[in-house]
Amino acid sequence: QLQLLESGPRLVKTSETLSLTCTVSGDSISGSSYYWGWIRQPPGKGLEWIGSISSSGTARYNPSLTSRVTTSVDTSKNQFSLSLTSVTAADTAIYYCARRMWTLGVFDYWGQGTRVTVYS
Amino acid sequence: EIVMTQSPAILSVSPGERATLSCRASRDVSGNLAWYQRKPGQAPRLLIYGASTRATGIPARFSGSGSGTEFTLTINSLQSEDFAVYYCQQYNNWPPWTFGQGTKVEIK
Repeated sequence: QLQLLESGPRLVKTSETLSLTCTVSGDSISGSSYYWGWIRQPPGKGLEWIGSISSSGTARYNPSLTSRVTTSVDTSKNQFSLSLTSVTAADTAIYYCARRMWTLGVFDYWGQGTRVTVYS
Repeated sequence: EIVMTQSPAILSVSPGERATLSCRASRDVSGNLAWYQRKPGQAPRLLIYGASTRATGIPARFSGSGSGTEFTLTINSLQSEDFAVYYCQQYNNWPPWTFGQGTKVEIK
């Protein structure tokens, strides 16, 4: 059974960088025919796709965040990561990592999410 | 960006009854629509993709329909474990893929 688990700081100071890691178990990221993505949900709002990355490092980002987002993959650790710079209170959210089907923009497995709060 | 609008925001249903959730896209997304279920503290779960194809392991009481801009998720004979928040997502036009705001199905 595929499992994804987000990890990283729960509190991030305004203007600093939010960094999260997703550890995948039950399947190998390397060479897999999937993308690995990040989605978030701010309090009281809907889900927002942040970005996705393949095991070879090809990344796609939400245009609204592309100037601040970077994703990376570490196949040796079976992990992928998210970096979001210059955070503000608007970046406070539950952050989910998920697996995306290769040919469809459908997320078939998700982590349970980690709540990140940006404080000043 | 395609905007996804779900209705109602909250749906009160008695166990054993049917729940009908709606999702509307601001532009034609063909049949490229998925539904997800999210329970507190749990990972969201893919229910439906391709507007009507159930994901692996999803019970037959969950069904999806629609195309273009209007979609429906129907849950027949609601079970206790079905009370959750449901989201639709379009994957026809990207970036970005976009989600609805969610419909909370609560016990009546």
